[in-house]
Formats: sequence, C-alpha cells, structure tokens
Amino acid sequence: ETGVTQSPTHLIKTRGQQVTLRCSSQSGHNTVSWYQQALGQGPQFIFQYYREEENGRGNFPPRFSGLQFPNYSSELNVNALELDDSALYLCASSYPSGTYNEQFFGPGTRLTVL
Amino acid sequence: DQQVKQNSPSLSVQEGRISILNCDYTNSMFDYFLWYKKYPAEGPTFLISISSIKDKNEDGRFTVFLNKSAKHLSLHIVPSQPGDSAVYFCAASNAGNNRKLIWGLGTSLAVNP
Repeated sequence: ETGVTQSPTHLIKTRGQQVTLRCSSQSGHNTVSWYQQALGQGPQFIFQYYREEENGRGNFPPRFSGLQFPNYSSELNVNALELDDSALYLCASSYPSGTYNEQFFGPGTRLTVL
Repeated sequence: DQQVKQNSPSLSVQEGRISILNCDYTNSMFDYFLWYKKYPAEGPTFLISISSIKDKNEDGRFTVFLNKSAKHLSLHIVPSQPGDSAVYFCAASNAGNNRKLIWGLGTSLAVNP
C-alpha cells in the first residue's frame, strides 16, 4: 500500500509568483485535504476535495485554489505569492467511512517566499 | 479564536515513566478527536482517536481519555520511550463541517533515557 506523497519537497519563490504543489493520495482514498502549517503553529485547513469537487474551505483567499484528478491525486495552486505564504503545506488523504475519518498525511512541501 | 488548545508547549519525562499530554476544546459540536505525532521534516502521523460517545480508547502504550463535561482530553503514553520524543498535536472535527481537522498548537515531548 503506497502512502501519501507530495512534491516538491522544498520550493523557493519570490513575491508575486505563482506555485503549484502536488499530492498523490494513499491507495483507496478518495478525499484529499490541504493544510498550511506556519512555524510554531498547528496546521490550518485550506480546503478539501472529494471525488474531484471542492468539499469545504477554510479561511483562505481565492488565490489559493485546487484541483483533484480522477485518480484522486490533487494540486494546490497559490497565485500572487506573499511573504506570509511561507509555510509547510501538508496534504492528507482519507476515505470517508461513517463517522470516522482518520486523515493520513504526506511529508509536506516547505515553501519559502522571498 | 483557538478552538483546540494545548496549553503546554513542552513536556519532559524520564524513560519508562508516564507521559500525559493535555488538550482542551471550546466547540461542543466536535464529535471526534484525534492525536497526531510529528517528527521534524515529516508530516503528522496518526496515533489514536476517540469518538465523543466514548470516554476512553486504548491502543497499546497509548490511551486517550475524554471528559466531555470539562471539554478536555488527554493522551497517556505508558511506558514512555525515547522514540516517543516528537511534537504531539491534538485535533478535533465534526460531521457537520466536512470533518476538517481543527488543530492545537502542539506539545513537544522529550523522553530522556
């Protein structure tokens, strides 16, 4: 069973640029959630995708957008990068099953905006 | 507004002793609670969870206790091992909110040999 993978591992961008982060979900999982973790903070929910549709969104501006593909892999796109976007971006996959929904995380992408 | 609070940024215990990590929450709609462990440069790893209809869940050395009236949960690790040294996050969710996880700030546990 393959776990959640993310690419790239690290990324350095400058203000105003655009970035795309990628995530492959764990085998059998059809739900992908994205989180932003700033230094010294807990992860903050960005949005969730279920069967290629956005299924919930946190308090992030529209310049944060995403996609989910038929194989359930996902992309996170951030436009017009700001310095505060520097963070660890985590992708988690899960399979909704009744009331229980453990999410399994990838190693994250460390984004630095200069 | 921090809905999930971990008030101890760090904890240090001796190998073999019990580690107790605490978590408080404010939203009574939460119906599912999870603990994750995180090593540096890795994503969080799921550890143990508990539904709000239970007050205890045990998995090997790890036990989570839930006190709904106090809106408090704790993670007990017995016996603690040096490999348990990591940051522990408490997270909560509810079915009415797409099960998005609301996280605490984490507690850094150091288990000393």
